[in-house]
Amino acid sequence: AQSVTQLGSHVSVSEGALVLLRCNYSSSVPPYLFWYVQYPNQGLQLLLKYTSAATLVKGINGFEAEFKKSETSFHLTKPSAHMSDAAEYFCAVSFSGNTPLVFGKGTRLSVIA
Amino acid sequence: DVKVTQSSRYLVKRTGEKVFLECVQDMDHENMFWYRQDPGLGLRLIYFSYDVKMKEKGDIPEGYSVSREKKERFSLILESASTNQTSMYLCASRVGAGELFFGEGSRLTVL
Repeated sequence: AQSVTQLGSHVSVSEGALVLLRCNYSSSVPPYLFWYVQYPNQGLQLLLKYTSAATLVKGINGFEAEFKKSETSFHLTKPSAHMSDAAEYFCAVSFSGNTPLVFGKGTRLSVIA
Repeated sequence: DVKVTQSSRYLVKRTGEKVFLECVQDMDHENMFWYRQDPGLGLRLIYFSYDVKMKEKGDIPEGYSVSREKKERFSLILESASTNQTSMYLCASRVGAGELFFGEGSRLTVL
């Protein structure tokens, strides 16, 4: 079965430090890849998406992610964490055009002042 | 702006009650989805629909049903609510392989 693995259910970083949230997927077929963010008591908001164009994808709020086919990974990074980045982050994959997205279990990011 | 609206943000129901969760999107999207979100389990797909009057089971359809009589509206129904259905319910829509647009969520508590 298709799956998405997010390593680390909780990541804590200091303000100004690098943010790295990991996502790996299981597929030999190039997928559509997404990162979503969820702030408390809100729905999910798209951060960025990969749809077979450039392997380095830039999103909102200074986040970016790199698609690495050989590693089946799509890790999310931000050079310098801000307090407002504290939220839950979800990686999601769709393995063909119209199939539902499969979500990882999420990573909660805490930012320490 | 794209909008997915869920009718209730917070609901409290009793065991055995019938519960309706309504979702409306204004983007003319063909595809609509209901997910359930629980701590540590992420989002799990309950049902989805590719067109009016069409429905497909997701990963956890047991205890739920859906209705899609109009393109813009997708309802989730709990025929007889149980305490293990206490959760956050998220509706979403999309066109083709594009991104999902989510509603704000409906937090259901079943007592």
